[in-house]
Amino acid sequence: DTAVSQTPKYLVTQMGNDKSIKCEQNLGHDTMYWYKQDSKKFLKIMFSYNNKELIINETVPNRFSPKSPDKAHLNLHINSLELGDSAVYFCASSQVKFVTNEKLFFGSGTQLSVL
Amino acid sequence: LAKTTQPISMDSYEGQEVNITCSHNNIATNDYITWYQQFPSQGPRFIIQGYKTKVTNEVASLFIPADRKSSTLSLPRVSLSDTAVYYCLVVDNNAGGTSYGKLTFGQGTILTVHP
Repeated sequence: DTAVSQTPKYLVTQMGNDKSIKCEQNLGHDTMYWYKQDSKKFLKIMFSYNNKELIINETVPNRFSPKSPDKAHLNLHINSLELGDSAVYFCASSQVKFVTNEKLFFGSGTQLSVL
Repeated sequence: LAKTTQPISMDSYEGQEVNITCSHNNIATNDYITWYQQFPSQGPRFIIQGYKTKVTNEVASLFIPADRKSSTLSLPRVSLSDTAVYYCLVVDNNAGGTSYGKLTFGQGTILTVHP
Protein backbone atom coordinates (compact mmCIF):
# COMPACT_ATOMS: atom_id res chain seq x y z
CA ASP A 1 0.00 0.00 0.00
CA THR A 2 1.20 3.50 -0.82
CA ALA A 3 1.97 5.42 2.36
CA VAL A 4 1.06 8.89 1.06
CA SER A 5 -1.14 8.93 -1.99
CA GLN A 6 -2.36 11.95 -3.88
CA THR A 7 -4.70 12.29 -6.81
CA PRO A 8 -4.70 13.14 -9.58
CA LYS A 9 -1.16 12.54 -10.82
CA TYR A 10 -1.64 15.01 -13.67
CA LEU A 11 -4.04 17.91 -13.89
CA VAL A 12 -4.42 20.04 -17.00
CA THR A 13 -6.92 22.87 -16.87
CA GLN A 14 -7.79 26.29 -18.18
CA MET A 15 -7.16 29.60 -16.49
CA GLY A 16 -9.95 30.65 -14.20
CA ASN A 17 -11.09 27.14 -13.35
CA ASP A 18 -11.34 25.70 -9.85
CA LYS A 19 -9.64 22.40 -9.07
CA SER A 20 -8.87 20.14 -6.13
CA ILE A 21 -6.05 17.80 -5.28
CA LYS A 22 -6.62 15.07 -2.74
CA CYS A 23 -4.13 13.50 -0.36
CA GLU A 24 -4.40 10.57 2.01
CA GLN A 25 -1.83 8.96 4.28
CA ASN A 26 -2.11 5.55 5.90
CA LEU A 27 0.89 5.92 8.20
CA GLY A 28 -1.09 7.09 11.20
CA HIS A 29 0.78 10.39 11.21
CA ASP A 30 -0.58 13.46 12.96
CA THR A 31 0.80 16.11 10.61
CA MET A 32 0.32 16.68 6.91
CA TYR A 33 1.74 19.23 4.51
CA TRP A 34 1.40 20.71 1.08
CA TYR A 35 4.54 21.70 -0.79
CA LYS A 36 4.89 23.40 -4.16
CA GLN A 37 7.84 22.63 -6.44
CA ASP A 38 8.65 25.06 -9.21
CA SER A 39 10.53 24.44 -12.43
CA LYS A 40 13.86 25.11 -10.74
CA LYS A 41 13.21 22.34 -8.23
CA PHE A 42 12.70 24.67 -5.27
CA LEU A 43 10.36 22.96 -2.85
CA LYS A 44 8.37 25.43 -0.76
CA ILE A 45 6.01 24.68 2.06
CA MET A 46 2.50 26.04 1.65
CA PHE A 47 0.49 24.64 4.52
CA SER A 48 0.73 22.26 7.43
CA TYR A 49 -2.01 20.67 9.48
CA ASN A 50 -1.71 18.84 12.76
CA ASN A 51 -4.72 16.77 13.77
CA LYS A 52 -6.95 18.83 11.47
CA GLU A 53 -5.63 22.12 12.88
CA LEU A 54 -3.81 24.56 10.59
CA ILE A 55 -0.36 25.23 12.05
CA ILE A 56 1.62 26.63 9.12
CA ASN A 57 0.19 28.94 6.52
CA GLU A 58 2.85 30.45 4.32
CA THR A 59 2.39 33.48 2.12
CA VAL A 60 0.06 31.78 -0.30
CA PRO A 61 -2.74 33.50 -2.25
CA ASN A 62 -6.08 32.96 -0.61
CA ARG A 63 -7.20 31.24 -3.80
CA PHE A 64 -5.50 28.22 -2.23
CA SER A 65 -7.54 26.65 0.53
CA PRO A 66 -6.51 23.48 2.32
CA LYS A 67 -9.07 21.29 4.01
CA SER A 68 -8.45 18.47 6.45
CA PRO A 69 -11.56 16.41 7.17
CA ASP A 70 -9.54 14.10 9.42
CA LYS A 71 -5.89 13.64 10.26
CA ALA A 72 -5.40 11.11 7.44
CA HIS A 73 -6.57 13.47 4.70
CA LEU A 74 -5.45 16.88 3.52
CA ASN A 75 -6.97 18.25 0.36
CA LEU A 76 -6.00 21.35 -1.56
CA HIS A 77 -8.57 23.41 -3.40
CA ILE A 78 -7.47 26.10 -5.82
CA ASN A 79 -9.87 28.75 -7.09
CA SER A 80 -9.49 30.87 -10.22
CA LEU A 81 -6.39 29.12 -11.46
CA GLU A 82 -3.65 31.27 -12.97
CA LEU A 83 -0.76 30.46 -15.29
CA GLY A 84 1.70 30.93 -12.44
CA ASP A 85 0.04 28.13 -10.48
CA SER A 86 1.55 25.60 -12.86
CA ALA A 87 3.90 23.48 -10.77
CA VAL A 88 4.17 20.13 -9.07
CA TYR A 89 2.32 19.94 -5.77
CA PHE A 90 3.45 17.45 -3.15
CA CYS A 91 1.60 16.21 -0.15
CA ALA A 92 3.63 14.95 2.80
CA SER A 93 3.15 13.69 6.32
CA SER A 94 5.16 13.29 9.50
CA GLN A 95 4.58 11.82 12.91
CA VAL A 96 5.06 15.02 14.87
CA LYS A 97 4.52 18.69 14.13
CA PHE A 98 7.97 19.90 15.10
CA VAL A 99 10.13 18.23 12.55
CA THR A 100 13.66 18.93 13.77
CA ASN A 101 14.57 15.29 13.72
CA GLU A 102 11.56 13.80 12.07
CA LYS A 103 11.19 12.39 8.60
CA LEU A 104 8.77 13.66 6.01
CA PHE A 105 7.03 11.11 3.82
CA PHE A 106 6.03 12.51 0.46
CA GLY A 107 3.44 11.54 -2.09
CA SER A 108 4.39 11.18 -5.74
CA GLY A 109 3.17 14.63 -6.68
CA THR A 110 0.48 16.24 -8.81
CA GLN A 111 1.70 18.02 -11.90
CA LEU A 112 -0.63 20.94 -12.48
CA SER A 113 -0.59 22.64 -15.86
CA VAL A 114 -2.69 25.76 -16.31
CA LEU A 115 -3.28 26.71 -19.94
CA LEU B 1 17.39 34.35 2.70
CA ALA B 2 18.32 30.78 1.86
CA LYS B 3 18.95 28.48 4.79
CA THR B 4 21.19 26.11 2.89
CA THR B 5 23.54 26.38 -0.06
CA GLN B 6 24.58 23.46 -2.20
CA PRO B 7 25.97 23.04 -5.71
CA ILE B 8 23.32 23.18 -8.40
CA SER B 9 24.64 20.14 -10.24
CA MET B 10 27.31 17.45 -10.14
CA ASP B 11 28.41 14.76 -12.54
CA SER B 12 29.95 11.42 -11.71
CA TYR B 13 30.59 7.98 -13.17
CA GLU B 14 29.44 4.61 -12.04
CA GLY B 15 31.52 3.15 -9.24
CA GLN B 16 32.84 6.48 -8.00
CA GLU B 17 32.29 7.99 -4.58
CA VAL B 18 30.29 11.22 -4.67
CA ASN B 19 30.48 13.91 -2.01
CA ILE B 20 27.90 16.70 -1.96
CA THR B 21 28.58 19.55 0.43
CA CYS B 22 25.94 21.80 1.92
CA SER B 23 26.52 25.11 3.72
CA HIS B 24 24.21 26.11 6.57
CA ASN B 25 25.95 28.99 8.30
CA ASN B 26 22.94 30.00 10.40
CA ILE B 27 22.16 26.57 11.79
CA ALA B 28 20.60 26.71 15.25
CA THR B 29 21.63 24.67 18.25
CA ASN B 30 18.64 22.36 18.06
CA ASP B 31 18.63 21.91 14.30
CA TYR B 32 19.30 18.57 12.72
CA ILE B 33 20.71 18.23 9.22
CA THR B 34 18.69 16.04 6.94
CA TRP B 35 19.16 14.92 3.37
CA TYR B 36 16.46 13.88 0.97
CA GLN B 37 16.69 12.26 -2.46
CA GLN B 38 14.22 12.89 -5.27
CA PHE B 39 13.93 10.80 -8.41
CA PRO B 40 12.11 12.18 -11.47
CA SER B 41 8.33 12.12 -11.14
CA GLN B 42 8.52 11.12 -7.48
CA GLY B 43 8.39 12.90 -4.17
CA PRO B 44 11.52 13.37 -2.08
CA ARG B 45 12.46 10.56 0.25
CA PHE B 46 14.51 10.69 3.42
CA ILE B 47 18.00 9.22 3.14
CA ILE B 48 20.00 10.31 6.17
CA GLN B 49 20.01 12.67 9.15
CA GLY B 50 22.59 13.80 11.66
CA TYR B 51 23.43 16.32 14.35
CA LYS B 52 27.20 16.18 14.53
CA THR B 53 30.24 14.08 13.59
CA LYS B 54 29.45 11.15 11.33
CA VAL B 55 26.37 9.12 10.58
CA THR B 56 26.29 6.11 8.31
CA ASN B 57 23.45 3.95 7.04
CA GLU B 58 22.98 1.48 4.21
CA VAL B 59 22.55 4.27 1.66
CA ALA B 60 25.02 7.01 2.55
CA SER B 61 27.27 8.66 5.09
CA LEU B 62 26.90 12.13 6.50
CA PHE B 63 29.89 14.08 7.77
CA ILE B 64 29.31 17.12 9.99
CA PRO B 65 32.24 19.17 11.31
CA ALA B 66 32.33 20.48 14.85
CA ASP B 67 31.06 23.96 13.95
CA ARG B 68 28.11 22.38 12.09
CA LYS B 69 28.14 25.15 9.50
CA SER B 70 28.36 22.64 6.70
CA SER B 71 27.76 18.98 6.04
CA THR B 72 28.81 16.50 3.39
CA LEU B 73 26.69 13.71 2.01
CA SER B 74 28.83 10.85 0.77
CA LEU B 75 27.45 8.24 -1.63
CA PRO B 76 29.79 5.28 -2.01
CA ARG B 77 30.21 3.66 -5.41
CA VAL B 78 27.32 5.33 -7.18
CA SER B 79 25.29 3.61 -9.88
CA LEU B 80 23.07 4.97 -12.64
CA SER B 81 20.08 4.64 -10.32
CA ASP B 82 21.59 7.22 -7.97
CA THR B 83 20.87 9.92 -10.55
CA ALA B 84 18.52 12.23 -8.66
CA VAL B 85 18.18 15.58 -6.94
CA TYR B 86 19.63 15.69 -3.43
CA TYR B 87 18.31 18.19 -0.91
CA CYS B 88 20.02 19.33 2.26
CA LEU B 89 17.70 20.66 4.96
CA VAL B 90 17.76 22.27 8.35
CA VAL B 91 14.73 23.37 10.31
CA ASP B 92 13.71 27.01 10.02
CA ASN B 93 12.99 28.15 13.55
CA ASN B 94 11.88 31.64 12.44
CA ALA B 95 8.35 30.39 12.21
CA GLY B 96 6.59 33.72 12.42
CA GLY B 97 5.49 33.57 16.00
CA THR B 98 4.37 29.99 16.07
CA SER B 99 6.20 27.38 18.04
CA TYR B 100 6.43 25.00 15.13
CA GLY B 101 9.39 24.56 12.91
CA LYS B 102 9.11 24.15 9.21
CA LEU B 103 11.43 22.37 6.89
CA THR B 104 13.02 24.58 4.26
CA PHE B 105 14.19 22.89 1.08
CA GLY B 106 16.77 24.63 -1.07
CA GLN B 107 17.25 24.17 -4.77
CA GLY B 108 18.94 20.81 -4.36
CA THR B 109 21.86 19.30 -6.22
CA ILE B 110 21.16 17.50 -9.47
CA LEU B 111 23.48 14.49 -9.50
CA THR B 112 23.95 12.80 -12.84
CA VAL B 113 25.74 9.47 -12.89
CA HIS B 114 27.21 8.46 -16.24
CA PRO B 115 28.03 4.93 -17.43
